[in-house]
Amino acid sequence: DGGITQSPKYLFRKEGQNVTLSCEQNLNHDAMYWYRQDPGQGLRLIYYSQIVNDFQKGDIAEGYSVSREKKESFPLTVTSAQKNPTAFYLCASSPRDTAPEAFFGQGTRLTVV
Amino acid sequence: GQSLEQPSEVTAVEGAIVQINCTYQTSGFYGLSWYQQHDGGAPTFLSYNGLDGLEETGRFSSFLSRSDSYGYLLLQELQMKDSASYFCAVRDHNYGQNFVFGPGTRLSVLP
Repeated sequence: DGGITQSPKYLFRKEGQNVTLSCEQNLNHDAMYWYRQDPGQGLRLIYYSQIVNDFQKGDIAEGYSVSREKKESFPLTVTSAQKNPTAFYLCASSPRDTAPEAFFGQGTRLTVV
Repeated sequence: GQSLEQPSEVTAVEGAIVQINCTYQTSGFYGLSWYQQHDGGAPTFLSYNGLDGLEETGRFSSFLSRSDSYGYLLLQELQMKDSASYFCAVRDHNYGQNFVFGPGTRLSVLP
C-alpha cells in the first residue's frame, strides 16, 4: 500500500533537546511539506521541498531544520531554538507543486516535558 | 499576502444538509481544495475546484466562484461520522505554489 508514514506517533522532549521527526513516502511524489497544527487552529507551513536536495522555508521555519537527501524521505528536526515546540506535526506530499491534492501522514504529537 | 476565512463552528442534525463557506484573498489563486480532519487524525482530501461551478462526489459537493473569491462545501444526508473539522485550502502562485489553509470549521452532527 502506498502512503506516507510518520514516526513516532507520540514524542516527548526535554527542554534544550533536539528531536527528529521522520517522514517517509512511497508514492513517488516530488513535493513534500511539513506543517504545524496547534489546538483548534489551521495548518501552518514550516518547510517544503519541491525536489530532492532542495527545500525552502515556510511561514514558521525558525527553530526547525530539514533535509531532503532522498525523494522518499523528508525528516524534520525540532531544535532547542524552538521555544514552543508542543504541537501536532503533519507531513504531506504531493505529486508535483501544482497538484490539487496533498496526502498527509498520521502526524506526530510532540510534547515538551 | 493571502488569507482564507471560514466559520469556526457549524452544528446540524443527522440527515440534514449543511454548507460550509470559504472566502479567500490571494492574488495568485490556483484552485480551491477541501479537507476533512477527525480529532487526532490526518487531514484527508475531499474535493477540488479549479474552475467555477459545482463538483459532486457522493454526499459531498463543492462549489467555486472565482469572480467572488468564494467557495463552499455542501454535505448532504449528514451522518454522525461527518463530525470533524473541515479546511479549505488554496494553491497560491505567489506563495511558492504551496497550499494555504483556512482556519477550519468544526462540524458537530447531533442525533
